[in-house]
Amino acid sequence: EADIYQTPRYLVIGTGKKITLECSQTMGHDKMYWYQQDPGMELHLIHYSYGVNSTEKGDLSSESTVSRIRTEHFPLTLESARPSHTSQYLCASSEGFEGAGTQYFGPGTRLLVL
Amino acid sequence: KQEVTQIPAALSVPEGENLVLNCSFTDSAIYNLQWFRQDPGKGLTSLLLIQSSQREQTSGRLNASLDKSSGRSTLYIAASQPGDSATYLCAVVRNAGNMLTFGGGTRLMVKP
Repeated sequence: EADIYQTPRYLVIGTGKKITLECSQTMGHDKMYWYQQDPGMELHLIHYSYGVNSTEKGDLSSESTVSRIRTEHFPLTLESARPSHTSQYLCASSEGFEGAGTQYFGPGTRLLVL
Repeated sequence: KQEVTQIPAALSVPEGENLVLNCSFTDSAIYNLQWFRQDPGKGLTSLLLIQSSQREQTSGRLNASLDKSSGRSTLYIAASQPGDSATYLCAVVRNAGNMLTFGGGTRLMVKP
């Protein structure tokens, strides 16, 4: 079973607030990812990291930012939340070998911005 | 740009039926293909991973095949059960960084 955790699971917040979505994994994986999934829609990669101090933007443009100071921790931050940020955010990690690793997903954070 | 398509978008079957879910992708240069299950309001559970050099993988009642040259994969579920009801997602790994491109999913309902 994958050990990847996300908090909070649900968040309702007002416009303009700063929020941080937490993601942690205990498997020692180098690669971590953030995906965004709007209701009934596909998952899209918004950020990824290949290791400590490595972060890159994904396929879908996002106003969020990420950091990777520790291997196990990959938080996502929105400086000023807006209703358009309402979505589900899923964190994942994978083993390091080239292109062959299974991705393990956390339970997701459902964000509602009023 | 890699595009992944899944058909059908939704499927409702009676318990006990064998069924096939389809996935197609436009760029055959993939590292591997994964099938996931997503239950409402939850994250994704990995079901099967097929390396690009493999033709199929099996896990219990699930069997996934891969035809890389034609850009197709199928997920076969034998003797379906109500507990199989979920959305099934196909995703291709397009680079060494394990970055996934997802299809839109097939919502499966298995009726008792």
